[in-house]
Amino acid sequence: AQSVTQLDSHVSVSEGTPVLLRCNYSSSYSPSLFWYVQHPNKGLQLLLKYTSAATLVKGINGFEAEFKKSETSFHLTKPSAHMSDAAEYFCVVTDTEAAGNKLTFGGGTRVLVKP
Amino acid sequence: SAVISQKPSRDICQRGTSLTIQCQVDSQVTMMFWYRQQPGQSLTLIATANQGSEATYESGFVIDKFPISRPNLTFSTLTVSNMSPEDSSIYLCSVGDRGAAFFGQGTRLTVV
Repeated sequence: AQSVTQLDSHVSVSEGTPVLLRCNYSSSYSPSLFWYVQHPNKGLQLLLKYTSAATLVKGINGFEAEFKKSETSFHLTKPSAHMSDAAEYFCVVTDTEAAGNKLTFGGGTRVLVKP
Repeated sequence: SAVISQKPSRDICQRGTSLTIQCQVDSQVTMMFWYRQQPGQSLTLIATANQGSEATYESGFVIDKFPISRPNLTFSTLTVSNMSPEDSSIYLCSVGDRGAAFFGQGTRLTVV
């Protein structure tokens, strides 16, 4: 079985400061991990994915995430937040490399960016 | 990446009625997935739609309530039957493409 825990339901940052969104996962096999962003009244957009290659994954819009097997974590970071980063972020795990198979979503982290 | 179109984008429906949501993909895909996102919640998988066979439903979801069709490799429908206000959610279609999952814009359903 697989599960995902996003440790913060809400994160508030000031524009220009770093963003850290925490995610821990549980998986019986070698997982594939993803971060998605959902802007208000918009669909889900893929930020980045980890599929057993490099443990540090760079995504779109300056985001990156590091896969740490020993800590079963896949935290998302960005060095400098922008107002447009205000959105809901989901950490997602699947047990197979072929994503598009069953995905398990974390509970989501809502990011607020203050001017 | 795959382009996914969902219709309708939103609807307001009377309780007791049914709504069919359509999902069209711009390429052939083996599996399509339907998710539900209840207000303020994360996404939950409803079922996997397989072409040529019955859909596979997750625990807590049944075919009588959420019948699914998958007539070909680019199209699927999800019907929300005998709706109640508890069915008010966003329903999303998803496909896998080159190692990632992509989502339609979703259908925002309000049941009154």
